[in-house]
Amino acid sequence: DIQMTQSPSSLSASVGDRVTITCRASQSISTYLNWYQQKPGKAPKLLIYAASSLQSGVPSRFSGSGSGTDFTLTISSLQPEDFATYYCQQSYRTPYTFGQGTKLEIK
Amino acid sequence: EVQLLESGGDLVQPGGSLRLSCAASGFTFSSYAMSWVRQAPGKGLEWVSIISGSGGSTYYADSVKGRFTISRDNSKNTLYMEMNSLRAEDTAVYYCAKGFQTAAGSAYNWFDPWGQGTLVTVSS
Repeated sequence: DIQMTQSPSSLSASVGDRVTITCRASQSISTYLNWYQQKPGKAPKLLIYAASSLQSGVPSRFSGSGSGTDFTLTISSLQPEDFATYYCQQSYRTPYTFGQGTKLEIK
Repeated sequence: EVQLLESGGDLVQPGGSLRLSCAASGFTFSSYAMSWVRQAPGKGLEWVSIISGSGGSTYYADSVKGRFTISRDNSKNTLYMEMNSLRAEDTAVYYCAKGFQTAAGSAYNWFDPWGQGTLVTVSS
């Protein structure tokens, strides 16, 4: 199975900050990497698919990059509604594994 | 608007069985793979299973293989998960999610949208 490792596991930041979350795959997954946002008590929401494609309706302050084994999710200017947990997921091969999550908290 | 509504979650004893359902609307159900993803209390997301649009192809996580069976009824726009030999570690909120393509093993299967989830508790 392909292991996905996110860093950091938690992060404190302020409104307006630029934030980067990293996801590393245990083997090359090309660009088959997706990012989700989950708020407490809610279902996950797709933000980015295929490493860098912004899902319709997602604000442009979210962006993704990377290929092979190393990927990043960047939020250019944090807004209050962005405080949530973020997960990466590889869809290169089943089982479609997720990272352990990065909890983004208000500083 | 695409909508997914899960049901069937319950409290069940270890070794018991349960069937989850996911009613879909707002899209051509048979044209898309569908998946189950679960989340244990306070934990991260764990992919469980996926089925192709036709229902002819399925994949499972090792943790549920041989115990869980995914299926779909395209005439009823409904996805199912039959869960047998349940264990305490199967306790989780189970989400159904729509894939991007019809093929189950496709690399293009990111999940959007997701249902609101249904809670399965395995305890004596």
